[in-house]
Amino acid sequence: DAGVTQSPTHLIKTRGQQVTLRCSPKSGHDTVSWYQQALGQGPQFIFQYYEEEERQRGNFPDRFSGHQFPNYSSELNVNALLLGDSALYLCASSLDIGPSLSNEQFFGPGTRLTVL
Amino acid sequence: GQQLNQSPQSMFIQEGEDVSMNCTSSSIFNTWLWYKQEPGEGPVLLIALYKAGELTSNGRLTAQFGITRKDSFLNISASIPSDVGIYFCAGQPLSNTGNQFYFGTGTSLTVIP
Repeated sequence: DAGVTQSPTHLIKTRGQQVTLRCSPKSGHDTVSWYQQALGQGPQFIFQYYEEEERQRGNFPDRFSGHQFPNYSSELNVNALLLGDSALYLCASSLDIGPSLSNEQFFGPGTRLTVL
Repeated sequence: GQQLNQSPQSMFIQEGEDVSMNCTSSSIFNTWLWYKQEPGEGPVLLIALYKAGELTSNGRLTAQFGITRKDSFLNISASIPSDVGIYFCAGQPLSNTGNQFYFGTGTSLTVIP
């Protein structure tokens, strides 16, 4: 039973470029959340996808966008990269068990993005 | 956004000692999760708590959901070198309609053999 997988593992971009990160959720999960983790910080919520739609969004600009596919996998896109976007980007999957109910989130290994 | 205060920020302990860390929030949470993260990896879920007062164990780890619903505690008994890592609490506010979790700033644990 594969856990959450992410690709690529590492990525180096320059300012102004665009990047796409990918995530496959744990088998049986239907919800994908994306987090940004700066060095020495806890993960910060970017947004969550469920039923191929963005369900909830954290305090991140519109340069951050995403998509969820019918097989529940997801992409995170970041446009017009800034130096401050350098971070570990984590994907977490979970199973939706109903409104206002929570379920455990399982994380992938992350993608380390460096913006030069 | 929600603020989660996690303490202590770092701990240096001798192998065999017990460890305690805690997390407090400014609002009521309905779920607390505890994660461990090692360098270059994603956080690994250790324990999940869903009810106020709940006490849950996972091997040498024990976590509690505070009765005020604004705090949670993690204890590690008889620490070993492989316990080294950063421990994060994560909580979901009662008012949250989605599945967003807020994370603490982490407790860095070093175990000295």
